[in-house]
Amino acid sequence: AQSVSQHNHHVILSEAASLELGCNYSYGGTVNLFWYVQYPGQHLQLLLKYFSGDPLVKGIKGFEAEFIKSKFSFNLRKPSVQWSDTAEYFCAVNRYSSASKIIFGSGTRLSIRP
Amino acid sequence: GAGVSQSPRYKVAKRGQDVALRCDPISGHVSLFWYQQALGQGPEFLTYFQNEAQLDKSGLPSDRFFAERPEGSVSTLKIQRTQQEDSAVYLCASGTENTGELFFGEGSRLTVL
Repeated sequence: AQSVSQHNHHVILSEAASLELGCNYSYGGTVNLFWYVQYPGQHLQLLLKYFSGDPLVKGIKGFEAEFIKSKFSFNLRKPSVQWSDTAEYFCAVNRYSSASKIIFGSGTRLSIRP
Repeated sequence: GAGVSQSPRYKVAKRGQDVALRCDPISGHVSLFWYQQALGQGPEFLTYFQNEAQLDKSGLPSDRFFAERPEGSVSTLKIQRTQQEDSAVYLCASGTENTGELFFGEGSRLTVL
C-alpha cells in the first residue's frame, strides 16, 4: 500500500533562513507527487506538483521540490523563508492514474520567528 | 460557487446520533474525495467518487460510515451512531479527472460528546 512519511513534525526557523522539509513515499510504481499547504485558519491548497519531466519543480511563493526517484523522496525547499510562510505543510502521493486516491503524510508544522 | 463548499462548518452530536455532512464541489469537477483529519494529523483518505460512481471506499473506518453522490455533483457523508472517536474535521475535495490536483473545502468539524 502507498504511504507517505514526513519525519519533521515541527520546524522552527528564523526569517531568511533556508528551509528543507523531508518527504519519503513508499510505492514502487510511477507516482504523482504533491505538496499542499494549510495557512492558519485557511483550507488546504496546492503548493506544487510533480507529474513527469524535470524532477525539480517550482511552485508558488518561491517554493521548489526535487523528486529523487532512487530515494523515493520529494523534499520541499525554500532558500529564504518569511514570517508569512508559517503554516502546516503536507506531502501527498498518488499512483500515476486518473482514478487514484491521493495519500497524505502527517504534515510538518513550520513556525517562523520574525 | 468559486470553491468547494461544505456544511455544516461545525457540528456537535451526542454519542449515538446520526450526522450528515454535505459537500458542494466546484462545478464540473469529476472527482470528489472525502478525508478525515484528526487534530495534529494529516488528512486520512475515506472515499473517492468519479462522477456518481464510488470508485474507492477502502478508507471508510466502519460500516457506520456511508457516502453518496447520486447525481455526480453534491455529495453527502453520513455517519450513523456516532462515537467519540469520530470527532475530527471532515474534508471534502474536488478535482478534474486528469490533473490529480485537489481543491479543498473548509471542512466540517464534528465533535461527538
